[in-house]
Amino acid sequence: QVQLQESGPGLVKPSETLSLTCTVSGGSISRYYWSWIRQPAGKGLEWIGRIYSSGATNYKPSLRSRVTMSVDTSKNQFSLKLTSVTAADTAVYYCAREDGEQWLVDFWGQGTLVTVSS
Amino acid sequence: QSVLTQPPSVSGAPGQRVTISCTGTSSGIGATYDVHWYQQLPGTAPKLLIYGNNRRPSGVPDRFSGSKSGTSASLAIAGLQAEDEGDYYCQSFDSRLIFVFGAGTKVTVL
Repeated sequence: QVQLQESGPGLVKPSETLSLTCTVSGGSISRYYWSWIRQPAGKGLEWIGRIYSSGATNYKPSLRSRVTMSVDTSKNQFSLKLTSVTAADTAVYYCAREDGEQWLVDFWGQGTLVTVSS
Repeated sequence: QSVLTQPPSVSGAPGQRVTISCTGTSSGIGATYDVHWYQQLPGTAPKLLIYGNNRRPSGVPDRFSGSKSGTSASLAIAGLQAEDEGDYYCQSFDSRLIFVFGAGTKVTVL
C-alpha cells in the first residue's frame, strides 16, 4: 500500500517561499504522476499541479508563475516550492498520487497545515 | 477554464437517499472527460469514492453510485448513515489535463 507523508515548515512569512517535500513509501515513485493539492480552512480543494517521475510538470495556470515542482527518484521524494506567499496561501497542503489513465487521485497524504504569517 | 458547480449542502434522515449534482462547462465534463467523486470525512484527507463516472473502488459500499449525462454528473447515497456525514467533491479535468474540483457539498445526516 502506497503511503505519502508531507514535511516542511508549518509557518512561512509573507513574501517568502513555501517549501514542502513528500516522501513516498510502499511503492516506487517511478512511472507515476505526483501532485500537490491544497485546502484553505473550511474551503474546497485546489489542485496546484503535478510532476511525472521523469520531471515533466503541469501547473494550474493561475499559480504557474509562483510554482516549481521537482522530483528525486533516488529518495522517492517530490517537492513543492511556492514563491511570494501571502495569507491567501494559508492552507492544508496534500501531496498525492495521480492515476495517469483515469486522471484521478488514488492516494493522498495526510496533509500538512502551512500558515503564512509574520 | 472548466468550472464544476455543486450545491453547498444536502441533508437527509438516516435511511433516506440523497443526491449531489456536479454541473460543468462544455470545455470540461461536457466533453468526453470522466467525473470522479471524493469523500472527505471530518479531519481526514479525501478518499476516492467513485471513478469513471459510475465505478466504485474496491471497498466502497454499493450504497454509493454515480452517473453522468452531458455536462452534469451526480452522486447518490442510498440508505444514508451517520458515518456518511462529511464533504463530497466532484473532480474532472480539461484538455490540458488541468484538474478541476467542484466547491464541495456538505452532507448532513439529520
